[in-house]
Amino acid sequence: NAGVMQNPRHLVRRRGQEARLRCSPMKGHSHVYWYRQLPEEGLKFMVYLQKENIIDESGMPKERFSAEFPKEGPSILRIQQVVRGDSAAYFCASSGQTGGDEQYFGPGTRLTVT
Amino acid sequence: EDQVTQSPEALRLQEGESSSLNCSYTVSGLRGLFWYRQDPGKGPEFLFTLYSAGEEKEKERLKATLTKKESFLHITAPKPEDSATYLCAVMGGGSNYKLTFGKGTLLTVNP
Repeated sequence: NAGVMQNPRHLVRRRGQEARLRCSPMKGHSHVYWYRQLPEEGLKFMVYLQKENIIDESGMPKERFSAEFPKEGPSILRIQQVVRGDSAAYFCASSGQTGGDEQYFGPGTRLTVT
Repeated sequence: EDQVTQSPEALRLQEGESSSLNCSYTVSGLRGLFWYRQDPGKGPEFLFTLYSAGEEKEKERLKATLTKKESFLHITAPKPEDSATYLCAVMGGGSNYKLTFGKGTLLTVNP
């Protein structure tokens, strides 16, 4: 059973570039969540998606960040014009048919902005 | 707004020395309280879900309990491989299924 897959595992971007983070949920899961973990801080919710729908994006910064979960393919978290403060670990989680199920996390993408 | 506070921030134990980690929470209508384990450089690994006060769950040397205001993760006779950061999270009734995490307790078990 493949778990939640994320790629790349490590990503280095210069200030002003774009970062694209990918997440494939566990087989049979239709709910995807993105969280960010800043150094010395806890995991913070960013966005909750189902196929082709953004359900809750209350944790997303208003500018430069966007997310999608298309009908086919992985969920994408996109950060435009990255700044040093975007350096963090970004985790994707997925859950089953019911939104209140346990969320299973991927290994994360560690973004470093130079 | 849902809030989670974990204590202590760090805990050092000798192998075999049992102890407990605390998770205090405030939430509007608890849907579930979740415990995860996180090793350095990895994603959180799901351990338990607790849904109502009085509920208990066990897995190997770990036992999680829940009251209306807090949860405890009891570790019995820990081993060095239990060393990790333990995260507590809540899902509130008005949260639209998002998890609110505490900052975690870093547990180190010395041989």
